[in-house]
Amino acid sequence: AQSVTQLGSHVSVSEGALVLLRCNYSSSVPPYLFWYVQYPNQGLQLLLKYTTGATLVKGINGFEAEFKKSETSFHLTKPSAHMSDAAEYFCAVSGDGYALNFGKGTSLLVTP
Amino acid sequence: DAGITQSPRHKVTETGTPVTLRCHQTENHRYMYWYRQDPGHGLRLIHYSYGVKDTDKGEVSDGYSVSRSKTEDFLLTLESATSSQTSVYFCATRRNDNNYGYTFGSGTRLTVV
Repeated sequence: AQSVTQLGSHVSVSEGALVLLRCNYSSSVPPYLFWYVQYPNQGLQLLLKYTTGATLVKGINGFEAEFKKSETSFHLTKPSAHMSDAAEYFCAVSGDGYALNFGKGTSLLVTP
Repeated sequence: DAGITQSPRHKVTETGTPVTLRCHQTENHRYMYWYRQDPGHGLRLIHYSYGVKDTDKGEVSDGYSVSRSKTEDFLLTLESATSSQTSVYFCATRRNDNNYGYTFGSGTRLTVV
């Protein structure tokens, strides 16, 4: 079965610093990978996705992720953190029935 | 998202009572999903449907059943609610093309006391 592991349940960065959220996947077939963000008491918002083609994927709000097959990774980055980036971030991979299998999430804290 | 409506948005129920959550979509999407979200666990798949009357179990299906009698409605039933089923429940649909686009509902917060 397809699964993802998010490394670090909590990540803290200073405003203006690089954001790096880690995600590794396990899949027996070429994976379709996703990053979602969830702000407090809200639903899920898609940041970006990788299906086929270019391995560097650009998303909304300045985020991007790179699919690295050799490392089975799909890490999320943003060059400069903003206070408004504080949220919960979820990595996901498409599995049986096209269902998204989510990681446990990483809570991003941005300090002034 | 306007394409999915979950009802109710909030519910408090007593242990042992049956509860049904509804997911209604207006996009004519074939695939629909129910997830539960708990702190430290992310979102976990309960059941999914790949067409009218076609459903399958997900990772955490024990204690839950689903039904899909119409394309637009996907019902999740807790036959006898337990405190461990206190959670936030999200419904999702998948676009019918190969674009891998998903739409999530706003969630239902269920408390079992």
